[in-house]
Amino acid sequence: GENVEQHPSTLSVQEGDSAVIKCTYSDSASNYFPWYKQELGKRPQLIIDIRSNVGEKKDQRIAVTLNKTAKHFSLHITETQPEDSAVYFCAASTGGGADGLTFGKGTHLIIQP
Amino acid sequence: NAGVTQTPKFQVLKTGQSMTLQCAQDMNHEYMSWYRQDPGMGLRLIHYSVGAGITDQGEVPNGYNVSRSTTEDFPLRLLSAAPSQTSVYFCASTLRARGNTIYFGEGSWLTVV
Repeated sequence: GENVEQHPSTLSVQEGDSAVIKCTYSDSASNYFPWYKQELGKRPQLIIDIRSNVGEKKDQRIAVTLNKTAKHFSLHITETQPEDSAVYFCAASTGGGADGLTFGKGTHLIIQP
Repeated sequence: NAGVTQTPKFQVLKTGQSMTLQCAQDMNHEYMSWYRQDPGMGLRLIHYSVGAGITDQGEVPNGYNVSRSTTEDFPLRLLSAAPSQTSVYFCASTLRARGNTIYFGEGSWLTVV
């Protein structure tokens, strides 16, 4: 089955700096790669996603890049703010996300004031 | 629309007891799934369903049963609870069509003593 590795497990950055979280996946058939933000005690919230026919996608301060050849994808957050502090999860799916996601273990992002 | 509704939100069980976690969605989504989340781990897929009457196993199905008699409901049954099933459980749903967001319920906190 699919295996998703996520690094780093903890990331501390100064407010205003950029943060990058990286994930690799094992199944070359994976075609859907969402990123979720989870605050303590809350449900995961989709922040951005990318499909295998696209190399990069951006939404305001958040961007995701996908390298299908290397089987890795990354989340980039620019101009970080205190409210960006949370746990971020990457995930991958071979069925466009509808038949289940395989998640990474998460990155605890800490924004230092 | 209420979205994805899970009940109960909190539950304490004794080892060997049985219970059902309820999940309902009012968005007419074909696909529904159950995940568990343990500390330091990403979400792991337990079971999923692509439509009424159809279910399949995910990554960690042992100890859990599901059924999908209607489009709206996807209950998760623990037949004989074990301490290893102490976890946070999330139900999710999405439309079959590509490009649709996966919606998570608020989670159910289960402790087995």
